[in-house]
Amino acid sequence: DQQVKQNSPSLSVQEGRISILNCDYTNSMFDYFLWYKKYPAEGPTFLISISSIKDKNEDGRFTVFLNKSAKHLSLHIVPSQPGDSAVYFCGGDGGTSYGKLTFGQGTILTVHP
Amino acid sequence: KAGVTQTPRYLIKTRGQQVTLSCSPISGHRSVSWYQQTPGQGLQFLFEYFSETQRNKGNFPGRFSGRQFSNSRSEMNVSTLELGDSALYLCASSPQGLNEKLFFGSGTQLSVL
Repeated sequence: DQQVKQNSPSLSVQEGRISILNCDYTNSMFDYFLWYKKYPAEGPTFLISISSIKDKNEDGRFTVFLNKSAKHLSLHIVPSQPGDSAVYFCGGDGGTSYGKLTFGQGTILTVHP
Repeated sequence: KAGVTQTPRYLIKTRGQQVTLSCSPISGHRSVSWYQQTPGQGLQFLFEYFSETQRNKGNFPGRFSGRQFSNSRSEMNVSTLELGDSALYLCASSPQGLNEKLFFGSGTQLSVL
């Protein structure tokens, strides 16, 4: 039972354009969502999060949108830079599940110069 | 502040052996979680420890176990290794382990031959 799904295994974008990464979830108990970025041979690093009481959160070039009725969230990166090329994981937190984030499969983002 | 430290970085074992992985969390963080990353399954939650107590456990067989020491350092043990245990094992820490971002280490790459 995959509670968090990232249906696009990969995404290719030109430098300077917008990157949109999508994530769907099925667990209604999730009330906190996070995006992580991962480079090869490194651990995931935190990017941005959003609480279920909000529908948008911005941090510099990164914006996360949450649509609770559709159980969908998206990460927008504007403008995209070659250094953004990495694997992006979306994760959901049920609030009562200690230390456990339920992650999607990840999306490989490639930003071309 | 030092990040999450995992040792060793790489391990090669043969089927049937056992292995112990080590994790030192960020100073002041009392929650330590372990995740397994494989190409096909993404990031899968193994278990979480807080104040030397396991508070949460994922869907892994009993061959996977862990513990936490009084200084919050944690170890993970896998007994009777199988080929399918080859993966990147990631440790993450956070202050309380609930509704907060996790800080990941670089991981231990385990290869089972």
